[in-house]
Amino acid sequence: NAGVMQNPRHLVRRRGQEARLRCSPMKGHSHVYWYRQLPEEGLKFMVYLQKENIIDESGMPKERFSAEFPKEGPSILRIQQVVRGDSAAYFCASSPPMGRIGLTGANVLTFGAGSRLTVL
Amino acid sequence: GENVEQHPSTLSVQEGDSAVIKCTYSDSASNYFPWYKQELGKRPQLIIDIRSNVGEKKDQRIAVTLNKTAKHFSLHITETQPEDSAVYFCAATVDRGSTLGRLYFGRGTQLTVWP
Repeated sequence: NAGVMQNPRHLVRRRGQEARLRCSPMKGHSHVYWYRQLPEEGLKFMVYLQKENIIDESGMPKERFSAEFPKEGPSILRIQQVVRGDSAAYFCASSPPMGRIGLTGANVLTFGAGSRLTVL
Repeated sequence: GENVEQHPSTLSVQEGDSAVIKCTYSDSASNYFPWYKQELGKRPQLIIDIRSNVGEKKDQRIAVTLNKTAKHFSLHITETQPEDSAVYFCAATVDRGSTLGRLYFGRGTQLTVWP
């Protein structure tokens, strides 16, 4: 089991460019979460998706940020017209289909290795 | 929404001593409380979790306690080792079975274990 795969691991963009971050969930997982971590800070929720559906995007900035999880392929977090303040580590996590309350351990939520965005 | 507070923000202990990290939460509906360990430049990794129907859970040198009435939960690490040095995050969420809500994280505790 390859776990949650994120790419690219490191991405450098100039101000005004676009950044696309990809996340493939663990095998058997159908839900994807995106979190942002600024240097020396905690993890801030951005968006929660399942295939072709956004469940909760209450943590997404209103402008320039979007996310999708198409029927085929990875989930994508897209940041348009990046600014220096977008520099952060972006972590994706996945969870299995719900309806299995009472699970504990890594079956519940597993994080990817993160994508580190640097905006010059 | 949920608000998770975590203390202390930094903690230094001598190897072999115990370390305790405390978190409080605000939403009484929260029923799932995981703890993550994040080493520098690495992904957050689950080290232990607890559900609201349990008051305490232990896994070797790590234990978590939950007080639902007071809405606080704590991580206890005994016989600390230098490799325990990392940032530890607590989190809380509502698992309704059909959906797992977003995790609300504390700000993290930088634990340093001195040899």
